Amino acid sequence: NAGVTQTPKFQVLKTGQSMTLQCAQDMNHEYMSWYRQDPGMGLRLIHYSVGAGITDQGEVPNGYNVSRSTTEDFPLRLLSAAPSQTSVYFCASRSLGTRTGELFFGEGSRLTVL
Amino acid sequence: EDKVVQSPLSLVVHEGDTVTLNCSYEVTNFRSLLWYKQEKKAPTFLFMLTSSGIEKKSGRLSSILDKKELFSILNITATQTGDSAIYLCAAPLGAGSYQLTFGKGTKLSVIP
Repeated sequence: NAGVTQTPKFQVLKTGQSMTLQCAQDMNHEYMSWYRQDPGMGLRLIHYSVGAGITDQGEVPNGYNVSRSTTEDFPLRLLSAAPSQTSVYFCASRSLGTRTGELFFGEGSRLTVL
Repeated sequence: EDKVVQSPLSLVVHEGDTVTLNCSYEVTNFRSLLWYKQEKKAPTFLFMLTSSGIEKKSGRLSSILDKKELFSILNITATQTGDSAIYLCAAPLGAGSYQLTFGKGTKLSVIP
């Protein structure tokens, strides 16, 4: 029962470095999304996808890129890391066939940018 | 603009107390409202409330939805230290949208 798998769980970057957070789900969910969580800010949507080849911006997309080449994978790329991107990142997915909106979350990736 | 507002932002209670967490929403074409519990890692699903299901209960937790006043409450009775967590409220954005908008959460601390 893998569900939503994120890697890495922890990462430290220097300002200006690039990296990719990986997200994979094995539930055949059409919808996948990335959130960031900062203290006192709740979960804020970065990017989302409703299927392979389709992506769109959320509330805080600047500094991040995504792609969706397969149903299973939805990587998040930081092109040039900044200290403001220090956060905990969550990948989440759900089936578009349900009306409930329930998201299934990964365990999170804690990123520190120095 | 769609939004979800939770209150209080933090709360400290003693074991055995009853707590009420609040969530107000302004969402175009309301479809559902969801409650999540977040302990150390990922949020886990608690309840979903819709126009056809405005009250849910699971053990010591219960939730109601007031569609007229646009709010929901989450009640926890006989609190235990294991209830300490951040409780998140969320709603799908406007018509045809799949994204969930989350409130900032309520951090509940239950002390012995």
